[in-house]
Amino acid sequence: NAGVMQNPRHLVRRRGQEARLRCSPMKGHSHVYWYRQLPEEGLKFMVYLQKENIIDESGMPKERFSAEFPKEGPSILRIQQVVRGDSAAYFCASSPPTEHEKLFFGSGTQLSVL
Amino acid sequence: DAKTTQPPSMDCAEGRAANLPCNHSTISGNEYVYWYRQIHSQGPQYIIHGLKNNETNEMASLIITEDRKSSTLILPHATLRDTAVYYCIVRVAETGFQKLVFGTGTRLLVSP
Repeated sequence: NAGVMQNPRHLVRRRGQEARLRCSPMKGHSHVYWYRQLPEEGLKFMVYLQKENIIDESGMPKERFSAEFPKEGPSILRIQQVVRGDSAAYFCASSPPTEHEKLFFGSGTQLSVL
Repeated sequence: DAKTTQPPSMDCAEGRAANLPCNHSTISGNEYVYWYRQIHSQGPQYIIHGLKNNETNEMASLIITEDRKSSTLILPHATLRDTAVYYCIVRVAETGFQKLVFGTGTRLLVSP
């Protein structure tokens, strides 16, 4: 059973471009979470999604950021018009429907904005 | 969710037990203690969790005091690969949404 897959592993964007980060949860997992980790800081919750539904986006910046988890395919975290402050590691996690207390994290996407 | 307090860093010799403390003096009766760790440049990894009884799995043991105001994560025979940041998190375990709030954790350095 493959773990949580995130791609790309590293993403470089220039200011003003769009960044798309993908996350495929573990097989059988229907819950996806996105976290952001700024350099030398702890992980901050961004958004929680189930298939085709955003359940909690209280940690998501109000502008430029969006997330989706379609019926088919990976979850996508989209950042429009990136700025240097968006440079961070973005981690995706998934959990099974019956074991919500355990989150399984991917290896993250390191976004660098030039 | 209750707040936790952890020492910022600890050292441990390879092969010895690593005992990582966590203070959660405001924990409520229905809140669990979770431990995750993050090895450099990787995503966090679940280690163990418990409510009031001590717990043990293949990775570690969790000792929770009787008043539940503090706990200790024990790595019985630390290896160099256990060098990581260890996060103690307290939150209610429900069948619904889980928003884990990560603090700054304890940076454990295991040395030869």
